[in-house]
Amino acid sequence: AQSVTQLDSHVSVSEGTPVLLRCNYSSSYSPSLFWYVQHPNKGLQLLLKYTSAATLVKGINGFEAEFKKSETSFHLTKPSAHMSDAAEYFCVVSERDSSYKLIFGSGTRLLVRP
Amino acid sequence: GAVVSQHPSRVICKSGTSVKIECRSLDFQATTMFWYRQFPKKSLMLMATSNEGSKATYEQGVEKDKFLINHASLTLSTLTVTSAHPEDSSFYICSARVSFSGGGTYEQYFGPGTRLTVT
Repeated sequence: AQSVTQLDSHVSVSEGTPVLLRCNYSSSYSPSLFWYVQHPNKGLQLLLKYTSAATLVKGINGFEAEFKKSETSFHLTKPSAHMSDAAEYFCVVSERDSSYKLIFGSGTRLLVRP
Repeated sequence: GAVVSQHPSRVICKSGTSVKIECRSLDFQATTMFWYRQFPKKSLMLMATSNEGSKATYEQGVEKDKFLINHASLTLSTLTVTSAHPEDSSFYICSARVSFSGGGTYEQYFGPGTRLTVT
């Protein structure tokens, strides 16, 4: 079975400093991986996805993630945090059977200090 | 982009009553929709997969008689919480699956969620 582990429940950074949200996955075969963001009272929004093409994936709002098979990791980064980045972030792996069900990590709450 | 709506956004009901939540794909057709439940400060838990014109597929541990799912059209799926109890209070989120490139890749678009409170 596939799963994802988000190593930090909370991450706090200062505005303008780099962001690193960590995610490790477990999969029997090559997975599809995603990062979603959830702002309060808003729906989940896809930041980026990896589907076996380039290992460095660029997403929206300056976020990017690198798929590292040797480390089974898919960490999310951003060079410079903005106050509007404060939200809950979910690392997600997709089943590769016909259902394409999404399996969510436990989430990381990003706090951005002024 | 693909937009998914949910109605209502918030609902309060009394214990023992039933409540229906709608999930609509506004500008596309979705043969498959998913229903998730999110507890406070927790992750999303997949409850069931809703397929248009057929019975929903429930995840292990989810009571199919309590959480009735109907996907009667390509743009609408409904979740009915029957005989609701306070422990059913939660944030319910739906998503719709869209295929690209002739069905080779998929993406899910999420609704804004419905906050259910059972008193």
